[in-house]
Amino acid sequence: QVQLVESGGGLVKPGGSLRLSCAASGFTFSDYYMSWIRQAPGKGLEWVSYISSSGSTIYYADSVKGRFTISRDNAKNSLYLQMNSLRAEDTAVYYCARDGYGDYGGDYWGQGTLVTVSS
Amino acid sequence: QSALTQPRSVSGSPGQSVTISCTGTSSDVGGYNYVSWYQQHPGKAPKLMIYDVSKRPSGVPDRFSGSKSGNTASLTISGLQAEDEADYYCCSYAGSYNVVFGGGTKLTVL
Repeated sequence: QVQLVESGGGLVKPGGSLRLSCAASGFTFSDYYMSWIRQAPGKGLEWVSYISSSGSTIYYADSVKGRFTISRDNAKNSLYLQMNSLRAEDTAVYYCARDGYGDYGGDYWGQGTLVTVSS
Repeated sequence: QSALTQPRSVSGSPGQSVTISCTGTSSDVGGYNYVSWYQQHPGKAPKLMIYDVSKRPSGVPDRFSGSKSGNTASLTISGLQAEDEADYYCCSYAGSYNVVFGGGTKLTVL
């Protein structure tokens, strides 16, 4: 069965960095576009970034452009999000999601990993 | 890119039907048939309920249906059940390498 497991979240000071990982299993990872989507505590969903199956096409939300970098390692069935220059407003649960239907959404989601940016 | 507009809350009694709207612009909802809907129970990850405006993934009950007219997409849930009580989010491709979510709607089953 399809599984997505995020890791790497934690407490970091403003201006700091963190690298999130998403381990995929149960499907051919290299065939699918993938996304990171976040949810601030008590708030709605916010799309963060999107990467094509080969990694050649990448999108970012304006709110993270220039600070976050999405990448993938198809040999390791893993998706990553490098987050630099973190701000308090980046505090959220970060989900990875598989785009199974080519509509920029997510047909499978991980359980999420919490990132807290605070001094 | 502005978030899509959803009502903050809707409610209905068991067995009734409810419709949740999602209003965008011609640059997102109106411009593409890439609208999806997600159900999220407290403390859980979102679950895909509708993709490509009106298609249902395998395993989603046919009580859930989606549609679009102009710049507004809608999710209709018929035959409401207690387990349908959750937050619902719409999502649309917005062109220019952007994806946008709605603010979310809390569905209460009375």
